[in-house]
Amino acid sequence: DTGVSQDPRHKITKRGQNVTFRCDPISEHNRLYWYRQTLGQGPEFLTYFQNEAQLEKSRLLSDRFSAERPKGSFSTLEIQRTEQGDSAMYLCASRRGQAVTGELFFGEGSRLTVL
Amino acid sequence: GIQVEQSPPDLILQEGANSTLRCNFSDSVNNLQWFHQNPWGQLINLFYIPSGTKQNGRLSATTVATERYSLLYISSSQTTDSGVYFCAVRTGTGGFKTIFGAGTRLFVKA
Repeated sequence: DTGVSQDPRHKITKRGQNVTFRCDPISEHNRLYWYRQTLGQGPEFLTYFQNEAQLEKSRLLSDRFSAERPKGSFSTLEIQRTEQGDSAMYLCASRRGQAVTGELFFGEGSRLTVL
Repeated sequence: GIQVEQSPPDLILQEGANSTLRCNFSDSVNNLQWFHQNPWGQLINLFYIPSGTKQNGRLSATTVATERYSLLYISSSQTTDSGVYFCAVRTGTGGFKTIFGAGTRLFVKA
């Protein structure tokens, strides 16, 4: 049983550069989430997809952030013009089930360091 | 939106001791999960428990949805239990997102 896969696991970039993270959810999971976690904090919700539709976005997701899930399978999260405050762990999760039911499963995360 | 509060924020135990972690939430929930975050940052699923009681080895959990709290019990703790424990909830009125508490940081001494 393949779990949620994220790539890359680590990314170091200079301020102002663009970065892209990829998430492959568990197969047959139609619901996909992105979260951000900074040191000492719990994960914070960024955005949610049901199949290819982005149904919910947090106010944390500024204009420099964009997420896609073009075919309802894998998803990408792009950060443009990175800032040092973007340094965090970016977590992807997926689930199946009805609108509010279903267990959430997380990937290993993509750790971003902006110099 | 819903508030999720976990206590205690930090806990130090001697190996072999038992502990209880608590999660309070401010609104009714449709889902509740407990996770363990390991030192590498991976969130490991412990329990999916919107109500009732479940047990898995040395760990057990109880959610009393009507009173808006959940408890995670760790018995005979081991050093490998160290890490951060998160409670996460999802409501029917809060959209589709799952909201996390701030976590309980557990350190088990040998």
